[in-house]
Amino acid sequence: AQTVTQSQPEMSVQEAETVTLSCTYDTSESDYYLFWYKQPPSRQMILVIRQEAYKQQNATENRFSVNFQKAAKSFSLKISDSQLGDAAMYFCAYRSPYSGGGADGLTFGKGTHLIIQP
Amino acid sequence: NAGVTQTPKFRVLKTGQSMTLLCAQDMNHEYMYWYRQDPGMGLRLIHYSVGEGTTAKGEVPDGYNVSRLKKQNFLLGLESAAPSQTSVYFCASSAYSGRVTGELFFGEGSRLTVL
Repeated sequence: AQTVTQSQPEMSVQEAETVTLSCTYDTSESDYYLFWYKQPPSRQMILVIRQEAYKQQNATENRFSVNFQKAAKSFSLKISDSQLGDAAMYFCAYRSPYSGGGADGLTFGKGTHLIIQP
Repeated sequence: NAGVTQTPKFRVLKTGQSMTLLCAQDMNHEYMYWYRQDPGMGLRLIHYSVGEGTTAKGEVPDGYNVSRLKKQNFLLGLESAAPSQTSVYFCASSAYSGRVTGELFFGEGSRLTVL
């Protein structure tokens, strides 16, 4: 079974600064998908960014980018020019493309609580 | 523009009572899921369904039952609620097109308290 580890329960960053959230995962598969979800106080789960393991290029979405290191099984999220609205829980998640047998859905890390200091 | 809708949003139960959480999606997705979220634990999969009439157990299925009688609906039942089932419950859905590749779309969550 796959596992996802987020080693930083909480991070704090000054507004307009850059912060990196860490995520490592364990899998024996070579083909998979990785996601970062944001959960603000409203509780809604919002997709931030997605990475396909077969793509070497790191995904980017505006101020959000990832550093995907497949050999190291690492998938960190970098937030540039942090804004107050970025304050939330961030979850790293893994998905196998092979459905069934318990390999379906997303496997989540325990989350990192990001605080933005004004 | 509804996406995934969960009802109810909040519920307080007494130990031993039963209840059903309803999830409805309007995106014609094949796959649907129920997760629970507890502090410091992330989201854990309770049950999931890969199509109408099918269900399967996830990581933490004990004490829950599910049904998928219609493609757009996925029901989560608690037959005899226990305080350990106090949690926030999320329903999610995803598309399937030969490979499971897409992200999950989540409902807004349902906060359940069992006294």
